[in-house]
Amino acid sequence: AQTVTQSQPEMSVQEAETVTLSCTYDTSENNYYLFWYKQPPSRQMILVIRQEAYKQQNATENRFSVNFQKAAKSFSLKISDSQLGDTAMYFCAFMKQNSGTYKYIFGTGTRLKVLA
Amino acid sequence: DTAVSQTPKYLVTQMGNDKSIKCEQNLGHDTMYWYKQDSKKFLKIMFSYNNKELIINETVPNRFSPKSPDKAHLNLHINSLELGDSAVYFCASSQEWAAPSFGPGTRLTVT
Repeated sequence: AQTVTQSQPEMSVQEAETVTLSCTYDTSENNYYLFWYKQPPSRQMILVIRQEAYKQQNATENRFSVNFQKAAKSFSLKISDSQLGDTAMYFCAFMKQNSGTYKYIFGTGTRLKVLA
Repeated sequence: DTAVSQTPKYLVTQMGNDKSIKCEQNLGHDTMYWYKQDSKKFLKIMFSYNNKELIINETVPNRFSPKSPDKAHLNLHINSLELGDSAVYFCASSQEWAAPSFGPGTRLTVT
């Protein structure tokens, strides 16, 4: 069974600094997708970034980038130039296809606080 | 334009009552989900529907019954509510390998 582990329950970072959130997963699949979602206090789940497992190049979205290490089954999120609005819960998620259905598994989340 | 909408956003009710949460998506997605987020923020899938057909049914009490009248709607009915049902319930939809789009969530409080 697939699992997703986020080993950092809470983290903090100074405004304008860089922070990295870790995520590891366990799977025997070769083709899958990985995502990072952000959940601010408003509780809305917002997609931050997505990575296809078959792509070697790390995905980037403005200040957000990932370090995808397929062999190590690691998918960390780097936030550069942290802003107060980045304060939120961050969830790593794994998705695979199984007989025409798409199953998503979420990690337990990392609570990030950006300090002024 | 709201992509995935849920009603109500807040629901307070007493133990033993029956309640429903409605979900609608206007993205044209084939697959819809219900997730439960507990007090520790753990997000767990409950059900998944693809083109109105139940695809995933995780270990959820029979008191929870999803219903998909059409591809754009997935409602959740809960019978005989218990204290442990208090949580935030998220509806989501997706299309093939695209990331799911989530609704705003429904905070259910059972007293």
